[in-house]
Amino acid sequence: AQSVSQHNHHVILSEAASLELGCNYSYGGTVNLFWYVQYPGQHLQLLLKYFSGDPLVKGIKGFEAEFIKSKFSFNLRKPSVQWSDTAEYFCATYGNKLVFGAGTILRVKS
Amino acid sequence: KAGVTQTPRYLIKTRGQQVTLSCSPISGHRSVSWYQQTPGQGLQFLFEYFSETQRNKGNFPGRFSGRQFSNSRSEMNVSTLELGDSALYLCASSLGTAELSEAFFGQGTRLTVV
Repeated sequence: AQSVSQHNHHVILSEAASLELGCNYSYGGTVNLFWYVQYPGQHLQLLLKYFSGDPLVKGIKGFEAEFIKSKFSFNLRKPSVQWSDTAEYFCATYGNKLVFGAGTILRVKS
Repeated sequence: KAGVTQTPRYLIKTRGQQVTLSCSPISGHRSVSWYQQTPGQGLQFLFEYFSETQRNKGNFPGRFSGRQFSNSRSEMNVSTLELGDSALYLCASSLGTAELSEAFFGQGTRLTVV
């Protein structure tokens, strides 16, 4: 069955620091990978998605992710975080259903 | 365009009661999925409906059921509520089946079972 695992549950960064959140997936079929974000009190929003093609995917708000097939990874990156990036981030994959990782809570200190 | 609308936003029920939650998808979206979000278990898939047919079901007991109407609106029902059913229930809609379509989420219904 498909699954994703996220490496860190809590991350605390200062503004302007670089961000990398780890995500590893497990699925033998077609690769569909997503990163969603949940800002405090708001609904889940899609940051970016990868189905095929260029392994470096650019999303909204300056986020990007790189699909590395050999490592089964789809890490989320942002060169310089802002206080407004404080949120919970979920990696997800779709095999026959959308499966989410446990989430990473990011707190950015101003 | 209007987003995914879930009603009610908050609900308090007593153990043993049943509850029905509603989800109105984005206009034109035919797929609706339901998820349970808890601090301990995270986001767990409940079921997905496409054109009134259940496509997939997660590992939840039969007390959890759902349906989709011809206008794509969906309801989920939980019977014989247990304290452990307290959670945020999220609905997501997508244009086609969820594997190739972006899923848009509602703000959820916060269910508290006392």
